Amino acid sequence: QVQLVESGGGVVQPGRSLRIFCVTSGFTFRSYGMHWVRQAPGKGLEWVAVIWYDGGNKYYADSVKGRFTISRDNSNNTLYLQMDSLRAEDTAVYYCARTGELSLDLDYWGQGTLVTVSS
Amino acid sequence: VMTQTPLSLPVTPGQPASFSCRSSQSLVHSNGDTYLSWVHQRPGQPPRLLIYKVSNRFSGVPDRFSGSGAGTDFTLKISRVEPEDVGVYYCMQATRFPHTFGQGTKLEIK
Repeated sequence: QVQLVESGGGVVQPGRSLRIFCVTSGFTFRSYGMHWVRQAPGKGLEWVAVIWYDGGNKYYADSVKGRFTISRDNSNNTLYLQMDSLRAEDTAVYYCARTGELSLDLDYWGQGTLVTVSS
Repeated sequence: VMTQTPLSLPVTPGQPASFSCRSSQSLVHSNGDTYLSWVHQRPGQPPRLLIYKVSNRFSGVPDRFSGSGAGTDFTLKISRVEPEDVGVYYCMQATRFPHTFGQGTKLEIK
C-alpha cells in the first residue's frame, strides 16, 4: 500500500536552516509529482511546494519562495524540503502528499512532521 | 481565493450535510478538467482525500459522500452524517499555482 513517512522535524532557532524528509513506498515514486503542505497550530492547510515527477519543474507558495527548496531522489524514493532563513511563522506540521494517479489533486498524505521555529 | 461556507456545521447523525466552496476564478484547467478536491481531517489526524476532480470519490470513500459543481462554485454533500464524519472539510484547487485551500468547514455532531 502507498506509504509516505515524514521525518526531520524539530526545534530550530529563527534564521537557521532545517531539512525535512519524506520516505515513500508502495508505488513507483519516480512517476509521480510530490507536494509539501503545512498546517500551523490550530490553523488550516497551506500548500507549500510541488516538484514534478522528474524534478524538472518546481513551484512554491509566495510565503516560502526564495527560502525553501523542494527536491527529490528518485533512486531512494525520497522527497526533501530544505528550509532556510526560518521564521516563527514557519512553525507548522509539514505533510508530504502525492499528486493523484488520475488527477492533479493530492491523493495520499503522510502523517506529518512538526517544525517549531523558536529562540 | 477559495471561500468556504459555513465555517461551522452542527449536524444530527442520520441527517444530511452540505458544504460550499467558491473560487474567485474559474478552476477549469487548460486541458478541460477541473481540479477541485475535498479533503477531510479528523482531530489529530492527517488530511485524507474524499473527492477529486469535483465529483469523483476516492478509493474507499463511502457513497454517502458526493461532490458537484462547475467553474467557480462547488458543493460537497453527505447524505446521512455518521459520528465518524466529525472534523474539518477543506476544498482545494490544483488547477493553478499556487495551489490553494479554503479555510475549512468544521462538522460537529449534535
